[in-house]
Amino acid sequence: EPEVTQTPSHQVTQMGQEVILRCVPISNHLYFYWYRQILGQKVEFLVSFYNNEISEKSEIFDDQFSVERPDGSNFTLKIRSTKLEDSAMYFCASSEWGANYNSPLHFGNGTRLTVT
Amino acid sequence: DQQVKQNSPSLSVQEGRISILNCDYTNSMFDYFLWYKKYPAEGPTFLISISSIKDKNEDGRFTVFLNKSAKHLSLHIVPSQPGDSAVYFCAASVDNQGGKLIFGQGTELSVKP
Repeated sequence: EPEVTQTPSHQVTQMGQEVILRCVPISNHLYFYWYRQILGQKVEFLVSFYNNEISEKSEIFDDQFSVERPDGSNFTLKIRSTKLEDSAMYFCASSEWGANYNSPLHFGNGTRLTVT
Repeated sequence: DQQVKQNSPSLSVQEGRISILNCDYTNSMFDYFLWYKKYPAEGPTFLISISSIKDKNEDGRFTVFLNKSAKHLSLHIVPSQPGDSAVYFCAASVDNQGGKLIFGQGTELSVKP
């Protein structure tokens, strides 16, 4: 079964540094998402992306965050200047068309980001 | 954000018996609901979904029931198997919100042989 792949699986960075988290969505999917889960907390929506632009973003997704689809296969999340509170598991997801009960999100295995 | 709640952090069931996982929500505008399963060090895996216009959806051993008047949904797993042991997340969404899923806190299911 096709799957969403994320790299790296674990990223350690120092506070203030920029990080780029990478994702390869399922090939025929058109909608892409980033979610995160801080340890012990809920999975939270960050952003959705379609047709090379952001469809929806949460209040978490401030100016420090950006997303990009630099080519036909990759989807990236960039955090410009990391803070300690950005430490979390970041999940990429994709869906075939706009998310609904017939087009569920498929998640990758996540990148654990640790900011020291 | 407490729109979706799973009040039981854990559930333990004997193999072969029924597992019932519960979820409550507050937003009557939700259009659909989903259940995801998550193993350690993996991402959430889609299990089953239900539209808000239905009250039941079944897929093999998994059945989701929706009670809109009570703003409650449940996932039934029959029969439960040890491989079902995982964290189960309930999620909900409103159409035309760009795929924004609101997740519950999760319930850790342990199925004992």
